[in-house]
Amino acid sequence: GDSVTQMEGPVTLSEEAFLTINCTYTATGYPSLFWYVQYPGEGLQLLLKATKADDKGSNKGFEATYRKETTSFHLEKGSVQVSDSAVYFCALSDTGDMRFGAGTRLTVKP
Amino acid sequence: GAGVSQSPSNKVTEKGKDVELRCDPISGHTALYWYRQSLGQGLEFLIYFQGNSAPDKSGLPSDRFSAERTGGSVSTLTIQRTQQEDSAVYLCASSQRGGTGVQPQHFGDGTRLSIL
Repeated sequence: GDSVTQMEGPVTLSEEAFLTINCTYTATGYPSLFWYVQYPGEGLQLLLKATKADDKGSNKGFEATYRKETTSFHLEKGSVQVSDSAVYFCALSDTGDMRFGAGTRLTVKP
Repeated sequence: GAGVSQSPSNKVTEKGKDVELRCDPISGHTALYWYRQSLGQGLEFLIYFQGNSAPDKSGLPSDRFSAERTGGSVSTLTIQRTQQEDSAVYLCASSQRGGTGVQPQHFGDGTRLSIL
């Protein structure tokens, strides 16, 4: 079945460092891909999405490109801030249900 | 406008009791999803509703779990004869529609269930 594998955490970075969180997927069809974020004490929020190959999703300085050839959707940000500390979930959806990765906890230190 | 609302926000109950969790989706959202997030684990898909029907129940962990949705709106997730391994945060999400052309999901804050 469809599945998502993402980089294990936790990840700890200093402010202004470059962030990459790897995500790869397995799907039989042509899924939409998402990154969700869960800030401390809050519910899940959509961060960005891409619906077809080569699409780039972006929001709040984060970017991810849908790479069909490598079945990947890696999350990147050029300069992280303390306020980016959260758990990040990669997800895919093909036929209605959604499959999530295990989540990667990011801590950004001043 | 109002987001996805879940109740109760916290529930503590004894092993063996039944519990009912409620989800009120965003008005007009036809698709509704239930997930479980256990400590240290990722999100686990439980069930998906399109309108009042559930095309995919494959994620329900056992026959102690059931869910229904009436009027295309509120959904309840029922766990019978609770076990300690049922302790988790149960998340509900809704979207404008499911199936192909998937729309992003909007999540509630979850119900934290603790089984003593």
